[in-house]
Amino acid sequence: KQEVTQIPAALSVPEGENLVLNCSFTDSAIYNLQWFRQDPGKGLTSLLLIQSSQREQTSGRLNASLDKSSGRSTLYIAASQPGDSATYLCAVTHNTDKLIFGTGTRLQVFP
Amino acid sequence: EPEVTQTPSHQVTQMGQEVILRCVPISNHLYFYWYRQILGQKVEFLVSFYNNEISEKSEIFDDQFSVERPDGSNFTLKIRSTKLEDSAMYFCASSVLLAGAQETQYFGPGTRLLVL
Repeated sequence: KQEVTQIPAALSVPEGENLVLNCSFTDSAIYNLQWFRQDPGKGLTSLLLIQSSQREQTSGRLNASLDKSSGRSTLYIAASQPGDSATYLCAVTHNTDKLIFGTGTRLQVFP
Repeated sequence: EPEVTQTPSHQVTQMGQEVILRCVPISNHLYFYWYRQILGQKVEFLVSFYNNEISEKSEIFDDQFSVERPDGSNFTLKIRSTKLEDSAMYFCASSVLLAGAQETQYFGPGTRLLVL
């Protein structure tokens, strides 16, 4: 059974820092991996989608990498801003199209 | 930019009552999903729907749950007899293609259901 874990569970950093969020999954036979952002009480906003054949994707200050063989993905946020404060979720599709989510990393960026 | 919409944003109901949660997926999308998130827990898959039928459902999606696409735009989740443990945020999502074909699922803002 595919399990997705995210560490750290929470992170608090000063504005301007570069930071890395980690996601690991137990079964490397994934179709793709998505990173989402969730603001308190709100829906999920898709940030990046990495296909199983890809190693990384970039969007603005965000860069996500994927190492399928080791079952890991990282989300790198450059020059963090207070507006980046949210919970970041990673999710994988395994052998069907359902997303299997991690527990998330709650990020706070303070001025 | 097209987006998934959900109504209502909040619903409070008594245990044993029926509730219907409504979603309008993005117009050219063909695959539809319901997920839920109990407070403080992971987002969990409930059901996927394509071509007017369920393509996959989780263990959570028992006989108390049903989904329907009553017209060309709406996608609904019905809970026939709500239980306290059904209290959660329910998210609708849609995609153009199967996520296994490497397509993003787009999520709505959610309906917060509280069962008393």
